[in-house]
Amino acid sequence: SSELTQDPDVSVALGQTVRITCRGDSLRTYYATWYQQKAGQAPILVIYGKNSRPSGIPDRFSGSSSGNTATLTITGAQAEDDGDYYCNSRDSRGIYVIFGGGTKLTVL
Amino acid sequence: QVQLHESGPGLVKPSETLSLTCTVSGASISRITDCWAWIRQPPGQGLEWIGNVYYSRSTSLNPSLKSRVSMSADMSKKQFSLRLSYVTAADTAVYFCARVQDLEERHMYYMDVWGKGKTVVVSS
Repeated sequence: SSELTQDPDVSVALGQTVRITCRGDSLRTYYATWYQQKAGQAPILVIYGKNSRPSGIPDRFSGSSSGNTATLTITGAQAEDDGDYYCNSRDSRGIYVIFGGGTKLTVL
Repeated sequence: QVQLHESGPGLVKPSETLSLTCTVSGASISRITDCWAWIRQPPGQGLEWIGNVYYSRSTSLNPSLKSRVSMSADMSKKQFSLRLSYVTAADTAVYFCARVQDLEERHMYYMDVWGKGKTVVVSS
């Protein structure tokens, strides 16, 4: 399969936990990568591999995976977490690179 | 600190060729593990992978764009380039370049450093 599916919109109350999911057949083989993008800016890497965070990414961000679904969890969402989140991996055959359609996270 | 910077014309006429260059600073692009990508984002839409260029100068391209895309790398200048031919209004987008960690044996693919992006408008 060459698709990754994300819910378009998710909201969370300030300080609460939110989970953003990404579904696709390729995730049975490849880890999902997660990016955060704020309006007018380039994406930044937040989670890669099994559950790794680049330097500078707060530990309230974590990743997990089960079957064909990857989940980005933000524990104790902050106002600055507002933005778009994209998942990414290789396709099922490992030939091409695919992105999910993105999830717009609103922190209330 | 690795930085990437996209450059090129911000306005391209329909049917012409879009040409962009990404200049890398703070890192080599000549290691055997190096891989670099182009990604684009049309206004109000999501991210679309265009293709990868590898240290070997081989490329992997999005099949939906493959017939119009070429990518290359100039190790001596620490630059890699994108050419997209026969552009239409649908190619109007912000174009990003990124450094890729392509770890096939570990089932991991991620873009850890991104340029700020270059807005390209296709219009006559």
